[in-house]
Amino acid sequence: EDQVTQSPEALRLQEGESSSLNCSYTVSGLRGLFWYRQDPGKGPEFLFTLYSAGEEKEKERLKATLTKKESFLHITAPKPEDSATYLCAVQAGNAGNMLTFGGGTRLMVKP
Amino acid sequence: GAVVSQHPSWVICKSGTSVKIECRSLDFQATTMFWYRQFPKQSLMLMATSNEGSKATYEQGVEKDKFLINHASLTLSTLTVTSAHPEDSSFYICSASPQETQYFGPGTRLLVL
Repeated sequence: EDQVTQSPEALRLQEGESSSLNCSYTVSGLRGLFWYRQDPGKGPEFLFTLYSAGEEKEKERLKATLTKKESFLHITAPKPEDSATYLCAVQAGNAGNMLTFGGGTRLMVKP
Repeated sequence: GAVVSQHPSWVICKSGTSVKIECRSLDFQATTMFWYRQFPKQSLMLMATSNEGSKATYEQGVEKDKFLINHASLTLSTLTVTSAHPEDSSFYICSASPQETQYFGPGTRLLVL
């Protein structure tokens, strides 16, 4: 059974204080690992897809990395507008486009 | 590109009535769409996979007679919550994929009184 575990569940940062969110996974044949951002009362917004170990992708203050067991979402010098829940999901090779989600990390950035 | 819409964005209904939620892919065709529900401070829970032109595939524990899914075209899937009860109150979100990435709609908040 595919499993995704995100840590920490919640993270409070001061503006400018860089940190990382973790996503550990077990999956039968990883097809892709996805990061989404979700604001309260809204649907998840796509951020990144990572396909193979060693791959990295960046977007503004966010950088996602992937190993064979986990992915990290690094947030550099965060701003209050980065406050959101960040969701990690995996797609198995034999599951079509179906995603298995982690529990999410609620990030709060204080000014 | 890859925009998914949902309608309505929120709905309040009386217990025992049925509610229909629409999910549309606006700029691509989707043979498969997914329906999720989300409780406060929890992650997304997959309810069912909606397949264009065929029956939906429901996850274990999801009542197919209560949550009716119709995927009549390549851009539209509907979820009908039949005989809704207060415990059905939740945030319902759909997603669709032009390729392997799922793009999510804005969600529908359902409140059953």
